[in-house]
Amino acid sequence: DVKVTQSSRYLVKRTGEKVFLECVQDMDHENMFWYRQDPGLGLRLIYFSYDVKMKEKGDIPEGYSVSREKKERFSLILESASTNQTSMYLCASSFRGGPHEQYFGPGTRLTVT
Amino acid sequence: AQKITQTQPGMFVQEKEAVTLDCTYDTSDQSYGLFWYKQPSSGEMIFLIYQGSYDEQNATEGRYSLNFQKARKSANLVISASQLGDSAMYFCAMRELDSSYKLIFGSGTRLLVRP
Repeated sequence: DVKVTQSSRYLVKRTGEKVFLECVQDMDHENMFWYRQDPGLGLRLIYFSYDVKMKEKGDIPEGYSVSREKKERFSLILESASTNQTSMYLCASSFRGGPHEQYFGPGTRLTVT
Repeated sequence: AQKITQTQPGMFVQEKEAVTLDCTYDTSDQSYGLFWYKQPSSGEMIFLIYQGSYDEQNATEGRYSLNFQKARKSANLVISASQLGDSAMYFCAMRELDSSYKLIFGSGTRLLVRP
């Protein structure tokens, strides 16, 4: 079975802190994605990566950066957390190309106070 | 620009009955895929079913079927014989297969199954 894991289910951080969200997948997928989910807005893509050290901006990259040093691991970084980044963060992975579905992790609910 | 529209924020269905969740999409590409995901209260997104734009038959996966009407740009999810465990958020999503890795999601429909 495909497994995508995220480092924390719940996280509380203070405004201005640097926050790291980690995602690991065990299916040798080329593509990895970070989304945020807010009520009424569905899922919005922050960043995605199609290979090690490769990344592309999604629809809402402002205030975020990412790192992919190994194929199985994709990190989302909030350089200086703000209250408007309070949200649910979902990581996903998939094979490259074709109609392959994305597999999602359990999500991290981040609260910035 | 790509867009997914789910017009039903919430729906109720009686246990054992069928229910249809609406999804319309907008794209100028000829090659695209449509996906449905379920998100229970635990938060994880679970892939349910896929329909390719060139597939001639509607996709089915167990109790899930996709009513694909290409000319109307709709891809409604039909759940037959609803179960209490079907209570969840349901998201429709689309990807343009030749040009992008991105999935574009709708805003979701919350389904509640009544006993």
